Amino acid sequence: EPEVTQTPSHQVTQMGQEVILRCVPISNHLYFYWYRQILGQKVEFLVSFYNNEISEKSEIFDDQFSVERPDGSNFTLKIRSTKLEDSAMYFCASSEGRFYEQYFGPGTRLTVT
Amino acid sequence: TQLLEQSPQFLSIQEGENLTVYCNSSSVFSSLQWYRQEPGEGPVLLVTVVTGGEVKKLKRLTFQFGDARKDSSLHITAAQPGDTGLYLCAGVRSGTYKYIFGTGTRLKVLA
Repeated sequence: EPEVTQTPSHQVTQMGQEVILRCVPISNHLYFYWYRQILGQKVEFLVSFYNNEISEKSEIFDDQFSVERPDGSNFTLKIRSTKLEDSAMYFCASSEGRFYEQYFGPGTRLTVT
Repeated sequence: TQLLEQSPQFLSIQEGENLTVYCNSSSVFSSLQWYRQEPGEGPVLLVTVVTGGEVKKLKRLTFQFGDARKDSSLHITAAQPGDTGLYLCAGVRSGTYKYIFGTGTRLKVLA
C-alpha cells in the first residue's frame, strides 16, 4: 500500500541553524501539506502546496519557513534559523485532491537545542 | 477559539465496554475525517464522512456526520486494548481551504 515517507526520523540542531525536512508524498497525489505537533498539543496546519506553489498557509508559517518540490518526488520544509520553540514533530501529508482525505507520514522529530 | 472541539478529552474504560467520542463545531464542514494517532507516529486515517447524516461502519467503529455537517461522533463497541490511542477529527471548514484538527480524545482501554 502506498505511503508517505519522511526523513530523517529525528533531527537535532542548534538554535539558529537551518534544517531541511524531507518528505516523499504518495505518487499520484497532487496536494501536499506540512503540519507540526508540539509535544502534548494538537496537530497544527502549517502550509498546503499545489501545482508548485503555496495554496494556503497558517500564521505559524512565517518568513523563516519555506517549502519546495525540488523534483518529481520530494517535498521539503526548510526552517531558516531555528528557534527553541520550533522543537516539535513535523508531519508531511498528501491527498489526491484539495478536499480529499489526507495521508500522513510518520513524522520527523525536530529538537532544537 | 477551538473550531473543532472534541469530548471527552480523556477516557479510560475497561475492555468490553462501549464508548462514544464527539467532535463539535459551530461551523459547517465540507467533510470530516477521523484519525487515530499512536505516540511518536503520524495520524492514521480511519474514515471520511461527507454527507450530512451519513453513517459509516468500520468493524466495531461507527462514525456519524451530523445532519448540518457541524458535528460528528465515533462510537466503539466492545472496546479492546488495541483501541488505545489518540483519536482526532479533522476537516476543511466550508468556505476555507485550511485543514483543521480537533482537540483530540485520548482513549485508554484496560485489559
